[in-house]
Amino acid sequence: SSELTQDPAVSVALGQTVRITCQGDSLRRYYASWYQQKPGQAPVLVIYGKNNRPSGIPDRFSGSSSGNTASLTITGAQAEDEADYYCNSRGNSDAPWVFGGGTKLTVL
Amino acid sequence: QVQLVQSGAEVKKPGASVKVSCKASGYTFTRHWMHWVRQAPGQGLEWMAIINPDGGYTRYAERFQDRVTLTRDTSTSTVYMEMRSLSSEDTAVYYCARDHSDNENAWWFDPWGQGTLVTVSS
Repeated sequence: SSELTQDPAVSVALGQTVRITCQGDSLRRYYASWYQQKPGQAPVLVIYGKNNRPSGIPDRFSGSSSGNTASLTITGAQAEDEADYYCNSRGNSDAPWVFGGGTKLTVL
Repeated sequence: QVQLVQSGAEVKKPGASVKVSCKASGYTFTRHWMHWVRQAPGQGLEWMAIINPDGGYTRYAERFQDRVTLTRDTSTSTVYMEMRSLSSEDTAVYYCARDHSDNENAWWFDPWGQGTLVTVSS
């Protein structure tokens, strides 16, 4: 299957740690990339490869992978981290790249 | 700095076509492939297609294969996405995004254009 599955919604208390997961068969072979999207804005890359952050992304964002599951962890979540998060990885011949359905993160 | 600037919002009638542009600056245009991704209102991201600006090779998601064409103009560092036979289900924000890869097992999209809203309504 080329699908990537994410929990639709996750919440975290301010300052606590939250993990957002992405499951799919392709993740056994390929790394996921992760994107943050705030309302009315374009997505922004936050994690790529094994665990790489683009310039300007706070170090509270980290990534990991095990088996068919990729994870985005936010250590010490801030109010500004409230957003939708999408994973992306390789798909199949019908769609060579595929996104997860997205996870809405609420910071309480 | 690297920037992708897309053309403005469009309103089209069902059955019509639309052509959205994505102008790149701040890097060598032909060195990075370009993706197109769309997002219907209140929905998630959907990958559509990719183009190699160096030569023009394209690859489409199966569901867009017959209705979408990507082209590029290297003289203006611009990529175009044309969609035909529009229906209300094509109402969405369309994004271009620059491709990166380690040529092994990691791909990522960065940066993204600001998005172009295409509204299909009679």
